[in-house]
Amino acid sequence: DVKVTQSSRYLVKRTGEKVFLECVQDMDHENMFWYRQDPGLGLRLIYFSYDVKMKEKGDIPEGYSVSREKKERFSLILESASTNQTSMYLCASSLHPSQSQAFFGQGTRLTVV
Amino acid sequence: ELKVEQNPLFLSMQEGKNYTIYCNYSTTSDRLYWYRQDPGKSLESLFVLLSNGAVKQEGRLMASLDTKARLSTLHITAAVHDLSATYFCAVADWNHGNQFYFGTGTSLTVIP
Repeated sequence: DVKVTQSSRYLVKRTGEKVFLECVQDMDHENMFWYRQDPGLGLRLIYFSYDVKMKEKGDIPEGYSVSREKKERFSLILESASTNQTSMYLCASSLHPSQSQAFFGQGTRLTVV
Repeated sequence: ELKVEQNPLFLSMQEGKNYTIYCNYSTTSDRLYWYRQDPGKSLESLFVLLSNGAVKQEGRLMASLDTKARLSTLHITAAVHDLSATYFCAVADWNHGNQFYFGTGTSLTVIP
């Protein structure tokens, strides 16, 4: 079974802190994604990566950056956390989306106070 | 821009009843995915539909794909409380890069 593991299930951070959300997948997938999910807004794509060291902006990249130094790991970085970044963050991985479904991690509920 | 629209957004139904969730999309993709999300949890894959006319069934859920109409349906038969969740459809298309495009989700509540 494909496994996508996010480093934290719940996280509480202070405004202005630098926050790292880590995601690891064990299926050698090329593509990895970070979404945030807020009530009434569905899933919104923050960044995705289709190869090591490659990244592309999604719909809402402002205030975020990403890092993919190894194929299995995709990190989301909040450079200076703000309260409007309080959300559920979902990581996913896949082969090319036209070839396979996305497999999701368990999600990280981040609260910025 | 590729668009995916689901309806209804909210669905409240009684146990034992049947209903259908609709997913319309704007691309010529022949690959569509359905997911389920329980409150506070992540997305779980339900169905992968790979071609026109594809039909998949699991328990009380049946998904179908009509690529000519650019429509997928998720049919619920004799609903039970355990089916209460949010259901998402998603589409991918070679012509639209390495992304999945998700519908807004349908929040289903099954009432005893």
